[in-house]
Amino acid sequence: DGGITQSPKYLFRKEGQNVTLSCEQNLNHDAMYWYRQDPGQGLRLIYYSQIVNDFQKGDIAEGYSVSREKKESFPLTVTSAQKNPTAFYLCASNTRGPTDTQYFGPGTRLTVL
Amino acid sequence: ILNVEQSPQSLHVQEGDSTNFTCSFPSSNFYALHWYRWETAKSPEALFVMTLNGDEKKKGRISATLNTKEGYSYLYIKGSQPEDSATYLCALPNNAGNMLTFGGGTRLMVKP
Repeated sequence: DGGITQSPKYLFRKEGQNVTLSCEQNLNHDAMYWYRQDPGQGLRLIYYSQIVNDFQKGDIAEGYSVSREKKESFPLTVTSAQKNPTAFYLCASNTRGPTDTQYFGPGTRLTVL
Repeated sequence: ILNVEQSPQSLHVQEGDSTNFTCSFPSSNFYALHWYRWETAKSPEALFVMTLNGDEKKKGRISATLNTKEGYSYLYIKGSQPEDSATYLCALPNNAGNMLTFGGGTRLMVKP
């Protein structure tokens, strides 16, 4: 089945630790995105990538890093520099273009203990 | 940053009621507007992409209209059912078309 997978579904981290969230797609999409959702708020863009080996900061990139070594994969690292990392993280992908629908993964809920 | 606002933030209706909510955006430099539905424990899924002023789209009991001159889109649900309970998000691309800015969403709860 074509789609986007994210793992793990739930993640717990101690303060001061880096953690990497996985996102894989088999839709042959060029563009991939990472969003963060906090309670009562909409989705905010962290990073996006339109092509392999290239990525751009979104609105809230501080404390996060990404890589795009393969078309199918766009992992997100939440670093210890992120001051408030507890949130729900969604990965999405689409073919490039402003009218192209974004397809979302199931999300990862990160909790910092 | 593009300012996309949705109202109301949440809405409780009875089964069978019809309802509507709003997405507001800057009317200048409009390119497209996306509506998504996000049910609890599922991924957001696309409902509509709207590009032209006066556009009307329909999918079952859900329809949407677009007014790019005044900067708003309405989403209507006719005869709400409990399975319509979800958060409805609208989003617009930036000028380069390489990222979407989402509104805060309208959380709809339909009581049986």
